[in-house]
Amino acid sequence: AQKVTQAQTEISVVEKEDVTLDCVYETRDTTYYLFWYKQPPSGELVFLIRRNSFDEQNEISGRYSWNFQKSTSSFNFTITASQVVDSAVYFCALSEPFSGTYKYIFGTGTRLKVLA
Amino acid sequence: DGGITQSPKYLFRKEGQNVTLSCEQNLNHDAMYWYRQDPGQGLRLIYYSQIVNDFQKGDIAEGYSVSREKKESFPLTVTSAQKNPTAFYLCASSIDGSATPNYGYTFGSGTRLTVV
Repeated sequence: AQKVTQAQTEISVVEKEDVTLDCVYETRDTTYYLFWYKQPPSGELVFLIRRNSFDEQNEISGRYSWNFQKSTSSFNFTITASQVVDSAVYFCALSEPFSGTYKYIFGTGTRLKVLA
Repeated sequence: DGGITQSPKYLFRKEGQNVTLSCEQNLNHDAMYWYRQDPGQGLRLIYYSQIVNDFQKGDIAEGYSVSREKKESFPLTVTSAQKNPTAFYLCASSIDGSATPNYGYTFGSGTRLTVV
């Protein structure tokens, strides 16, 4: 069965530290998509990145970077020089074909607290 | 600005009552989704709709009902049959409901339902 594991329940760092959020997934599909979403205190999930299974190139967007490794089924997310505004719950998700559409399999989330 | 509006943000319900959560989008998206979020858990799919006048059950549809009479609106009714309705409910939409998630979801800011 499809599964996404975010083993880190909560992480606390001091501002300007780097932090990596881990995501490990399980799937039998050869084509799949992985996502990261940020959930700030306001509640909505904000899309951060999508990666398909054929694209193992790492990506950097400002202070954010993602490391996708199919060999270890991991899609880790690093925030460089963290800021207080990065405090949120971060979800990793795996897309799964579902009755003609798709749905997400979400991890349980990692709560990141960045302390000033 | 385009987006998804969920109302109300907080909702209290007495046991045995039905309650309807509103979800409206002005993104012209075809597909809409309802997810439930419980503390320490990932999001789980309740219902989804790929087009107007059509909707399908997700993983945890028991005790819930939906309608999709207009493209913009996808209300969720939590019925008295739902045994544990206290949760955070998130509505989402995507450009289309195809099996390939070319785009991420756009999420609303959620409704927190509490049974009292």
